[in-house]
Amino acid sequence: DGGITQSPKYLFRKEGQNVTLSCEQNLNHDAMYWYRQDPGQGLRLIYYSQIVNDFQKGDIAEGYSVSREKKESFPLTVTSAQKNPTAFYLCASSSRTEQFFGPGTRLTVL
Amino acid sequence: QQQVKQSPQSLIVQKGGIPIINCAYENTAFDYFPWYQQFPGKGPALLIAIRPDVSEKKEGRFTISFNKSAKQFSLHIMDSQPGDSATYFCAASLDSNYQLIWGAGTKLIIKP
Repeated sequence: DGGITQSPKYLFRKEGQNVTLSCEQNLNHDAMYWYRQDPGQGLRLIYYSQIVNDFQKGDIAEGYSVSREKKESFPLTVTSAQKNPTAFYLCASSSRTEQFFGPGTRLTVL
Repeated sequence: QQQVKQSPQSLIVQKGGIPIINCAYENTAFDYFPWYQQFPGKGPALLIAIRPDVSEKKEGRFTISFNKSAKQFSLHIMDSQPGDSATYFCAASLDSNYQLIWGAGTKLIIKP
């Protein structure tokens, strides 16, 4: 089955902790993206990567970090510098224009 | 110039009605206009997409109308069903650029 997997589905973080969200794709796509979605809100781009070992900041990159060491993987770290991290996080990949999304990770700060 | 403005923010329609969601853009270089459907707790999925060389595209009960001169495009859902209740996002992009510029989304409720 081709697709995008995200783990975990739910994640709880204590104040001051860093957490890493996993995103893996087996679609052989070059580009990968991380979005944040708040309740009733649209999609805001955190980071994107068009090629291995290269990535660019999106609109709301502060408090987040990423790596792209393999084509298949694009993990997102939510650092303690992100003051309001509670949200639904979506990973996507694309070969050209169509973006395919994973099922999302819901992060809650306790 | 990079914005895509989507309206309405929310919409309630009776079953069988035709909800219409509108989007407007400024950048005339955009050449790909998709609509995504998102159910609660899930990731968005591509519903239908259009390029500016056509004025209308239909896929099943879903139709995109595209007005290049007005820089607007819209989604129509024929014979709407309660299962169509979801959030719908429009987007736009340049074919040479992998990024999508997203509208803010429309929460659609179809009443039985």
